[in-house]
Amino acid sequence: GAVVSQHPSWVICKSGTSVKIECRSLDFQATTMFWYRQFPKQSLMLMATSNEGSKATYEQGVEKDKFLINHASLTLSTLTVTSAHPEDSSFYICSARNRDLSSAWETQYFGPGTRLLVL
Amino acid sequence: SQQGEEDPQALSIQEGENATMNCSYKTSINNLQWYRQNSGRGLVHLILIRSNEREKHSGRLRVTLDTSKKSSSLLITASRAADTASYFCATDDYGQNFVFGPGTRLSVLP
Repeated sequence: GAVVSQHPSWVICKSGTSVKIECRSLDFQATTMFWYRQFPKQSLMLMATSNEGSKATYEQGVEKDKFLINHASLTLSTLTVTSAHPEDSSFYICSARNRDLSSAWETQYFGPGTRLLVL
Repeated sequence: SQQGEEDPQALSIQEGENATMNCSYKTSINNLQWYRQNSGRGLVHLILIRSNEREKHSGRLRVTLDTSKKSSSLLITASRAADTASYFCATDDYGQNFVFGPGTRLSVLP
């Protein structure tokens, strides 16, 4: 159990376009999901915390108008990179906690990631 | 802000040897977790160790936690080529999110 999927797994787009990435918890409800960004050979940096039914909480330095997050249901959060530029090229990873699992609620389950390349 | 810091940043060993990676952090934590990431892939959860625990085992993995020194170590015994990956520690400070360390890139040579 506790599987998180992401779609698409990779995307190439032209500069100036917007890209939407979906994160789904497949077999559990996730009231909170997290979005991370990872540059090559670097660690994961938390971008924002996505809360179902409310506004996302962004980390310092992350532009909320550029990285739009929508947590429309208990199993789906989307990250839209608006007006993407080459410097937005990165590996975007989402995660979710399964708060229904009394023994493992503290564990974050990660999606497989989405590789974005902006030309 | 980055909390956990792994040491070493890169480690290369021969198959069969043990690999030890360390993680240090700065603030009080609820738990510390270790993750593995194969190149270009998502993260796989390895072990969670709570602040009141000192050691945990899972197969060939052994994790220790020293809250007085704010440090943790991950030991992989009898390493295999398939263990080649990046390993990250992440601290949970009672908040809603984790803070990841920079990671250790482990290469196990056949």
